[in-house]
Amino acid sequence: EPEVTQTPSHQVTQMGQEVILRCVPISNHLYFYWYRQILGQKVEFLVSFYNNEISEKSEIFDDQFSVERPDGSNFTLKIRSTKLEDSAMYFCASSGETSGRAFFGQGTRLTVV
Amino acid sequence: KNEVEQSPQNLTAQEGEFITINCSYSVGISALHWLQQHPGGGIVSLFMLSSGKKKHGRLIATINIQEKHSSLHITASHPRDSAVYICAVSLGNQFYFGTGTSLTVIP
Repeated sequence: EPEVTQTPSHQVTQMGQEVILRCVPISNHLYFYWYRQILGQKVEFLVSFYNNEISEKSEIFDDQFSVERPDGSNFTLKIRSTKLEDSAMYFCASSGETSGRAFFGQGTRLTVV
Repeated sequence: KNEVEQSPQNLTAQEGEFITINCSYSVGISALHWLQQHPGGGIVSLFMLSSGKKKHGRLIATINIQEKHSSLHITASHPRDSAVYICAVSLGNQFYFGTGTSLTVIP
C-alpha cells in the first residue's frame, strides 16, 4: 500500500526556536492535512491544503503556524517561536479527494524543552 | 463545530468475542472515518464511509446518516486487534475527532 512519510520521527527543540516538520504525501494525492496529538489527548485537526493554498484551518492554527508545498512533493509544517505546549505528535495525511480516505504518516514527535 | 462522541472509552474482551464500538456526531458530515492507532502511535485508516456499510476482513463499519451514528464491529477478535479506535468526521476538508476507544483483547 502507498505510504505517507514524515521526517524526522523525533525532534527536540529549545523553546522559542523555529521547527519545520516534513511530509511526503502519496504522489497522486491532492489534499494534504496536518494533525497533532498532545500526549494522552485526542487527535486534533490543524489544517488542510489543496491547490497550493489552505482550504480549512482550526482555531489552533494561528500565526505561529504555516504550511507550504515548496517543491511539488514535500508538504511542510513550520512552527515559529515554539512553546512548551507545542510538544505533541504531529501527523501528516493525504487523500485523493475531498473527505476521501486519508492515509497517515507515522508522525513526528516534537518535544519542546 | 461537530461534537464526536465515542463509546465505550475502554473495552476489554476475550479473544474470539464480537466487539462493537459506537460513534455519534452532532451535525451533518461529508464522510465518517474509522481509524486505528497502534500502541506505538501510528494511525491507520480503516474505513471511510458516507452511507450504508463496509466490510474488510473481520471489520465491519456501518453508518446511519439520519441518526448521526456509526458503529465499528470486529468479529472473532484477536489480541492483535488491541489498539485505540478513533472515529473522525469530515465536512469538506475540516475534520473532527472522537477521543478514541481503547480496546484490549485478552488471549
